[in-house]
Amino acid sequence: EVHLLESGGDLVQPGGSLRLSCAASGFTFNAHAMSWVRQAPGKGLEWVSLITGGTGSGTTYYADSVKGRFTISRDNSKNTLFLQMNGLRADDTAVYYCGRDFYTSGRWIDYWGQGTLVTVSS
Amino acid sequence: QSALTQPPSASGSPGQSVTFSCTGTSSDVGAYNYVSWYQQRPGKAPKLVIYEVYKRPSGVPDRFSGSKSGNTASLIVSGLQADDEADYYCSSYGGSNWLFGGGTKLTVL
Repeated sequence: EVHLLESGGDLVQPGGSLRLSCAASGFTFNAHAMSWVRQAPGKGLEWVSLITGGTGSGTTYYADSVKGRFTISRDNSKNTLFLQMNGLRADDTAVYYCGRDFYTSGRWIDYWGQGTLVTVSS
Repeated sequence: QSALTQPPSASGSPGQSVTFSCTGTSSDVGAYNYVSWYQQRPGKAPKLVIYEVYKRPSGVPDRFSGSKSGNTASLIVSGLQADDEADYYCSSYGGSNWLFGGGTKLTVL
């Protein structure tokens, strides 16, 4: 059974940093692209970042809203996905979900974690 | 990277059918058959209900169906049940980014 468990969400001040983790189990982690998707309180889903899997593992993509501030990475030996968030702003406040993509290169998310809450506030 | 366009709300009575629309551009919805739909109940993670425009994951009832015409994709839920009440989001691959719609809140009357 596919299982994704996010952690690392917290209350952080504007301008601060945070590192989210997503522990994966139940599938061949390195064979799949992985994404971060966020949802601000009461708002819709927003794609944040994706990292490819397979032989091309490690190609990264970012939404314009986080480019230059966030870095996605993966440790295939530990089946873990990361999101390093720097220069956090109030509008980064959201539940952050990690998602497994069906393909290695990223086309659609077939499994989601339960999310971790990031609150950016002074 | 504009979001896909979805109407904010929809409603229907039990047993009826409801159609959700999702409008993108020729660079995303119109360019690729990688449109997916997600159901999200309050306080829960999204759940995949349609992928690659019309395909259903195992366990999703055949009351859920999808289609696409040009830059607009659609999700049809037939035989509405109370349990279908949720937010529905469309998503599309856009070449080097992934887009979501703003979501449609379904109310079962």
